[in-house]
Amino acid sequence: EADIYQTPRYLVIGTGKKITLECSQTMGHDKMYWYQQDPGMELHLIHYSYGVNSTEKGDLSSESTVSRIRTEHFPLTLESARPSHTSQYLCASSGGQGGSPLHFGNGTRLTVT
Amino acid sequence: AQSVTQLGSHVSVSEGALVLLRCNYSSSVPPYLFWYVQYPNQGLQLLLKYTTGATLVKGINGFEAEFKKSETSFHLTKPSAHMSDAAEYFCAVRMDSSYKLIFGSGTRLLVRP
Repeated sequence: EADIYQTPRYLVIGTGKKITLECSQTMGHDKMYWYQQDPGMELHLIHYSYGVNSTEKGDLSSESTVSRIRTEHFPLTLESARPSHTSQYLCASSGGQGGSPLHFGNGTRLTVT
Repeated sequence: AQSVTQLGSHVSVSEGALVLLRCNYSSSVPPYLFWYVQYPNQGLQLLLKYTTGATLVKGINGFEAEFKKSETSFHLTKPSAHMSDAAEYFCAVRMDSSYKLIFGSGTRLLVRP
C-alpha cells in the first residue's frame, strides 16, 4: 500500500484566506504531482516536481504555488482563496522510470465560501 | 500532443455481466498506459499498467486490459461484474519523454443487482 498522506481531508474556508494543503510521502519518491479534480471527475495536472528545488506548472493554469524543499514534502498554497478554487486536490508521487505508476493520496476537498 | 479519450461517461451493467470500459489514446511515441479506480471520497488506486512486452495485462480485482497499437486502444474488461466494482475508472497515458500522466475524463461504472 502506498504511503502518501494529505491533510486536511476537508476544508471549508472563506474568500480571501490563505491556505496550505499538505502532502507528504514516505516512499522516497523523487517525483511529486498535484492534480485538481473537477466535480465531474476529470483530473488536471496543476503542478509537478522532479526533485528537491524543482517545481513546474502543469497543463492547467492555477493560481496556487508549490514548493519542494524536502523530498518527502510537497505543499500547495493559495495566497487568497476564491470560490473558483473550490475543488478536490489530489497529490501523487512516483519513482523510477517512465513505467512507474503514480501513487495517490486520498485528496483534500476544498470549499471556498 | 498526447490525449486520452474514454468513451462513455457512464456505463451500467448487471451484476455478473461483462464489464467493458473503453479507452483510446493519441501519442506520437509508444506510450505507457494505466488504468486507475477511484472509490467515493478516496484517491486513485492503480488497477493495472502496460509498459512493454505482453499486450494483455492483468490487474487487481479480476480486471485486465489489452494494448492494441493498431487501434490506439487500451480497453478495460472484467468477465463478471460485482457490486463492489461500482466506482470511477480513469485511463491514463504517459509518453516516454515525460513523467507526467495525462488522464481521460473518467467513466462511472454502475452495477445493477
